Formats: sequence, C-alpha cells, structure tokens
Amino acid sequence: GDSVTQTEGQVALSEEDFLTIHCNYSASGYPALFWYVQYPGEGPQFLFRASRDKEKGSSRGFEATYDKGTTSFHLRKASVQESDSAVYYCALGVNQGKLIFGQGTKLSIKP
Amino acid sequence: VTLLEQNPRWRLVPRGQAVNLRCILKNSQYPWMSWYQQDLQKQLQWLFTLRSPGDKEVKSLPGADYLATRVTDTELRLQVANMSQGRTLYCTCSAVLGGGTGQLYFGEGSKLTVL
Repeated sequence: GDSVTQTEGQVALSEEDFLTIHCNYSASGYPALFWYVQYPGEGPQFLFRASRDKEKGSSRGFEATYDKGTTSFHLRKASVQESDSAVYYCALGVNQGKLIFGQGTKLSIKP
Repeated sequence: VTLLEQNPRWRLVPRGQAVNLRCILKNSQYPWMSWYQQDLQKQLQWLFTLRSPGDKEVKSLPGADYLATRVTDTELRLQVANMSQGRTLYCTCSAVLGGGTGQLYFGEGSKLTVL
C-alpha cells in the first residue's frame, strides 16, 4: 500500500543552520506530495504541495522538489530561525480529502 | 480566516463513555470534509471523508471506535466510543483541485483525555 517515511524523528539545530528533513514515499503513478507544519496546541498548517516530477514547492523559505526517480520530497531551508521550531509532516495524496502522513519530525532551534 | 470550527476543544472522557464531536464549515468552497486522529506519539491518521449530507461511516481502530456523519453541507459529526488512550481529533476541509488531491485545511482539534 501507499506509505510515507520520514527518516528523522527529531532534529536539533542552531539559528542560521541549514535544514534538511528527508521524506520518501511509496505509491504508484504521480501522487500529490505535501509538507505540513504543526505548532504546539494548533492544527497542522499547509506549507506547500507538488504534483509533477521535478516540480518545486516552496513557502516561507522552505522548499522541496518532487523526485520520481528517487521517490523523494525532502524539505530544505537555507537558514533556520528559532520561530521555525515545530513538527513537520510529509504527506502523500491518495484521493480527495485523504492524505497519508509520515511520522513527523520535531525540529528544535537553539537561539 | 478560520475555515472550520470544532467543539468541544477539550474533553475528559470517563472510560467506557462515548463522546460526540462537532465540526462546522465556514466556507462552502471547501466541501470535502474529513476526520483525522492524532495519537499521543503525534502520528496523524485519516479516518473518514464524507462529502454529502446523510453520508455515514463507521470504523474500529486500535484504541477507539468511530461513527462519522455528514449532517448538512456545513456540519460534520464524529462519535468516539470505547476509547482506551487519549488522542486529538481534527476536522479538515478541502476543495477539488485539478491535478490531484487538494490541500487540507485543519481545524484546531478536539483533544480527548481518558479518565
């Protein structure tokens, strides 16, 4: 069945460090891929989406490129800030209303 | 702008008792409404997507039984029963998007704690 795997359960960085969170998926065809962010006490928020091979999604300095060859959609940011501390989720679209989420990656940024 | 209103936001649930959750859609441009659960380890899992008034579905998962109902075009309900571990239930909405699955908008969640 369809699945999403995030390699890192937790990431700890300092401000201005470069961020990479790895996301790999398993599915047939070209499913839409998503990144969401969740702050404490809130519901997940949409960051961005991509639906074609080599398409880049981006928002708030974060970006990821859809790679069909390696079945990946890794999240990157060049320079993180303390306000980026949150849980990040990679997700795969199955059909209308239904996403499969990865396990989540907790990002902690030290000032 | 808040698209979804969930209530209650928090509830203590005596073991063996059922609880009813409600979600109100504020913008009819996003008519596909769904329920997701988030467990104590923060894993998000899809439960149901209900599009039309009168739609009903049931599901049993480890730790809880669920009954979802699309009451009207703007109201979605969820009954949670036999809950053994706390969890948070999120209501979502989305629109049909050309090119595949549209993005979900999440409500603020209903956090349930077992007594």
